[in-house]
Amino acid sequence: GENVEQHPSTLSVQEGDSAVIKCTYSDSASNYFPWYKQELGKGPQLIIDIRSNVGEKKDQRIAVTLNKTAKHFSLHITETQPEDSAVYFCAATPGSARQLTFGSGTQLTVLP
Amino acid sequence: DTGVSQDPRHKITKRGQNVTFRCDPISEHNRLYWYRQTLGQGPEFLTYFQNEAQLEKSRLLSDRFSAERPKGSFSTLEIQRTEQGDSAMYLCASSSLRDGYTFGSGTRLTVV
Repeated sequence: GENVEQHPSTLSVQEGDSAVIKCTYSDSASNYFPWYKQELGKGPQLIIDIRSNVGEKKDQRIAVTLNKTAKHFSLHITETQPEDSAVYFCAATPGSARQLTFGSGTQLTVLP
Repeated sequence: DTGVSQDPRHKITKRGQNVTFRCDPISEHNRLYWYRQTLGQGPEFLTYFQNEAQLEKSRLLSDRFSAERPKGSFSTLEIQRTEQGDSAMYLCASSSLRDGYTFGSGTRLTVV
């Protein structure tokens, strides 16, 4: 089955700096890669996703890049704000309607 | 539609008791998923329904766990003879071919 590894497990940045979180996956059949933000006591919230037919996707301050050959995908957050502080999870699946395999999460802290 | 609803938000039970959780998905979503999340980890897949049919079950879903989606709408997850190791957040999600996953806020189970 799929295995997703996520790094780093914790990340602290100064407000206004950029944050990068990286994931690798094992199953070459995976073709859908969502990123979730989870705040304390809440369920994961989808923030951006990418499919394997594109290499990069951007939505305002958030971008995701995908390298299918290396089986890597990354989340980039620019101009970080304190409200970006949360746990971020990457995930992979062979189909957007199939079960997701999650990484172990990154605790992002944005220092004011 | 206000998203995926889960009830209760919190449940404390004594070891050996049975518990049941409910999930109401987004009404037009025909796919419904249950995940379990322990502290510091990403969600782990438990089971998946398409309409009323349970199509996949994880090996994590022991014989003490049963899930139903009787009319293809809401779903229930029952845990019989609870054990301390069952303490976790139980997350429900729904999706359609058009939409990605939407997670509920989860039910936090504590077995004492």
